[in-house]
Amino acid sequence: GEDVEQSLFLSVREGDSSVINCTYTDSSSTYLYWYKQEPGAGLQLLTYIFSNMDMKQDQRLTVLLNKKDKHLSLRIADTQTGDSAIYFCAVTSGTYKYIFGTGTRLKVLA
Amino acid sequence: DTEVTQTPKHLVMGMTNKKSLKCEQHMGHRAMYWYKQKAKKPPELMFVYSYEKLSINESVPSRFSPECPNSSLLNLHLHALQPEDSALYLCASSQTTGSGNIQYFGAGTRLSVL
Repeated sequence: GEDVEQSLFLSVREGDSSVINCTYTDSSSTYLYWYKQEPGAGLQLLTYIFSNMDMKQDQRLTVLLNKKDKHLSLRIADTQTGDSAIYFCAVTSGTYKYIFGTGTRLKVLA
Repeated sequence: DTEVTQTPKHLVMGMTNKKSLKCEQHMGHRAMYWYKQKAKKPPELMFVYSYEKLSINESVPSRFSPECPNSSLLNLHLHALQPEDSALYLCASSQTTGSGNIQYFGAGTRLSVL
């Protein structure tokens, strides 16, 4: 079945850029997503990218998709302490299912 | 408005209790989901309703009983739960056509089973 992997932990200094990586095994996913989860909260949709795109930029967020290597990344520019959270990538599997990555805990140091 | 509302925010129940979790959305979405999330893990899909009909049941134990009274509401009825069922329960909704099935999540109900 589909497998989606992320590194578990990332620590950056405030003002630096953060890059969170995600690798997946099934290339048939038409959409790929990034969600943010703060402690005790639900999942907040950050951005998504269609599989025929290589890049999408949305304010401080840049998503890069390398379909050949099945690699997705999320870059956060000028990272702030409020960006500290767990970040999940997700890919579609069929009409309704998401396959979530393992989640990356981002810690921003002041 | 991309809001999915879940109530209650917190719930403590004994193993013999019966309780219900509620979820509501007014985005006109026709697909609604229940997920279970344990600490530091990704959400796990439990159920999917599409046009008020149960579309997916991920082999969830019968002590969890979903219900979709109408296109805006989703309930999860709980009975005879076990301590290992303690988790964050998340509801989500999405359109069923186009837009890549973007799922919007509620804030969750944190359930503790004693």
